[in-house]
Amino acid sequence: AQKITQTQPGMFVQEKEAVTLDCTYDTSDQSYGLFWYKQPSSGEMIFLIYQGSYDEQNATEGRYSLNFQKARKSANLVISASQLGDSAMYFCAMRDFTGTASKLTFGTGTRLQVTL
Amino acid sequence: EPEVTQTPSHQVTQMGQEVILRCVPISNHLYFYWYRQILGQKVEFLVSFYNNEISEKSEIFDDQFSVERPDGSNFTLKIRSTKLEDSAMYFCASRDPGTGQYEQYFGPGTRLTVT
Repeated sequence: AQKITQTQPGMFVQEKEAVTLDCTYDTSDQSYGLFWYKQPSSGEMIFLIYQGSYDEQNATEGRYSLNFQKARKSANLVISASQLGDSAMYFCAMRDFTGTASKLTFGTGTRLQVTL
Repeated sequence: EPEVTQTPSHQVTQMGQEVILRCVPISNHLYFYWYRQILGQKVEFLVSFYNNEISEKSEIFDDQFSVERPDGSNFTLKIRSTKLEDSAMYFCASRDPGTGQYEQYFGPGTRLTVT
């Protein structure tokens, strides 16, 4: 069974600073995908970034980058130049490649608070 | 930009009543999902739907739950006899199998409160 672990229940970062949100995963599959989603206080789930297990380069999307270390089974999200609007819950998730459904397994989340 | 929509945004129901949560996935997507998030907890997979049938379901998705795609645009989750523990945010998501990234796009959620 797949498992996602996010050990930081809460993080603080000052505006304009970079922050790293940790995510480790456990799977016996050779092929898998990792996602990060943002959940603002309004509740919706916003897709941020994706990393495939066979991708040779770390994924980047604007201010978001994914620090993928396959041997350590970690997929940390790095947010550069934090903005007040980045304050939200952040969930790491893994795609299940068994079958065709590709369900997502989520971690418990990290609440990020950006301060002035 | 196309998006997943869900109605209602908030539903209050009494224990034992039936509720139907509605979703309109992104039009060219073929995979549909329901997830739930109990307040303060992580998001949990309920069911996936493809080609007009359930492709996978979790242990949570028992006989009280059912899904349907009644027409070409809507995707519904029915809870036949709600329990207090069904109170949660329910998210619909959809996916385009044509992309290589497999990301699922989530709707804004329906907050279900069972009293």
